[in-house]
Amino acid sequence: TQLLEQSPQFLSIQEGENLTVYCNSSSVFSSLQWYRQEPGEGPVLLVTVVTGGEVKKLKRLTFQFGDARKDSSLHITAAQPGDTGLYLCAGANQGGKLIFGQGTELSVKP
Amino acid sequence: DAGVIQSPRHEVTEMGQEVTLRCKPISGHDYLFWYRQTMMRGLELLIYFNNNVPIDDSGMPEDRFSAKMPNASFSTLKIQPSEPRDSAVYFCASSFGTRNTEAFFGQGTRLTVV
Repeated sequence: TQLLEQSPQFLSIQEGENLTVYCNSSSVFSSLQWYRQEPGEGPVLLVTVVTGGEVKKLKRLTFQFGDARKDSSLHITAAQPGDTGLYLCAGANQGGKLIFGQGTELSVKP
Repeated sequence: DAGVIQSPRHEVTEMGQEVTLRCKPISGHDYLFWYRQTMMRGLELLIYFNNNVPIDDSGMPEDRFSAKMPNASFSTLKIQPSEPRDSAVYFCASSFGTRNTEAFFGQGTRLTVV
């Protein structure tokens, strides 16, 4: 059974701080996706990483895929209140199955 | 395209009643997923279809749950009989292909079983 463990589950920080969210598994995935979910809505894709060791940047967000394609991290620089939300990592296998981690509930206080 | 459409948005039912959740995927997408989200367990994959065929239903909790996809534009998730522990937000998502493609989610159905 493929499982994704995400940490931390909850994170409360002040505006301007940096943070990192981790997503780990014992399984290899063909790709790793990061989603953000707002209350009352479904998750929305932020980024997909495909190649081991790949790094992608989206403004103040940096995403990294582990060399062995089993883990990933999301780093936010100078967090802002607008970054508040639920961040979810998701692993895809070649058969099309997409499973999610537990999520990280981020709160950025002004 | 209007995106993935789920109905109803909210459902309150009594224990023992049958519940049917509906989903219309994005036109042209060949994968459809049903997920259940709770605080305790996060976003769990229940079942997914490829070209209307169920591929993996290992996440379906028990025989009370069933899902169908009679055609490319419609899917249902049925719970019979419903129990209070089934209370959750149920999401439908669709995607195209398997090459690292984005899953598009509906707004979910919030189910409360009393």
